[in-house]
Amino acid sequence: AQSVTQLDSHVSVSEGTPVLLRCNYSSSYSPSLFWYVQHPNKGLQLLLKYTSAATLVKGINGFEAEFKKSETSFHLTKPSAHMSDAAEYFCVVPGGNQFYFGTGTSLTVIP
Amino acid sequence: EAGVTQFPSHSVIEKGQTVTLRCDPISGHDNLYWYRRVMGKEIKFLLHFVKESKQDESGMPNNRFLAERTGGTYSTLKVQPAELEDSGVYFCASSRKRQGAYTEAFFGQGTRLTVV
Repeated sequence: AQSVTQLDSHVSVSEGTPVLLRCNYSSSYSPSLFWYVQHPNKGLQLLLKYTSAATLVKGINGFEAEFKKSETSFHLTKPSAHMSDAAEYFCVVPGGNQFYFGTGTSLTVIP
Repeated sequence: EAGVTQFPSHSVIEKGQTVTLRCDPISGHDNLYWYRRVMGKEIKFLLHFVKESKQDESGMPNNRFLAERTGGTYSTLKVQPAELEDSGVYFCASSRKRQGAYTEAFFGQGTRLTVV
């Protein structure tokens, strides 16, 4: 069965500093993996996706994630946080008939 | 290309009443999913359609919930009668037919349901 674990429920960073949101996955095979973002009162927007091509995946708004099979991780990073990055982020793994969501990480950006 | 559209965006109903949520997926997407997030908790799977057929409804909480996708286009999710614990945000998503690896799902804005 597939599952994802987001290790931090809240992350706080200062504007202009790096962002690291952690995700570990569990899968019986090499999975597809996604990161979604939800801004307040908005829908879920796809940030980036890994589908067994390049292990370093670039997404929108300067985010990227690296698939590490040996560590079963798919951490989301950004070199420099912007105020507009404040949102909730979800790591997602598909399997069977559904997409399995992590519990979400709320990112606060301090001016 | 229009995205996934959900109606209404908000709904406030009294306990015992009926509410119907609607989802219009992206045109041509065979897969349609319903998810729910209750009280800021985890986003939970409700069910999955492939065209008009229910592939998996293992996440439906009970028989007060009924989902349909007539003609394989838009979908409705009816709650009858609504209970207080049904309050939450209901998300709909659609994705293309799988050909090998999973493709991403596109989500709607969600319907915020409040049962009072």
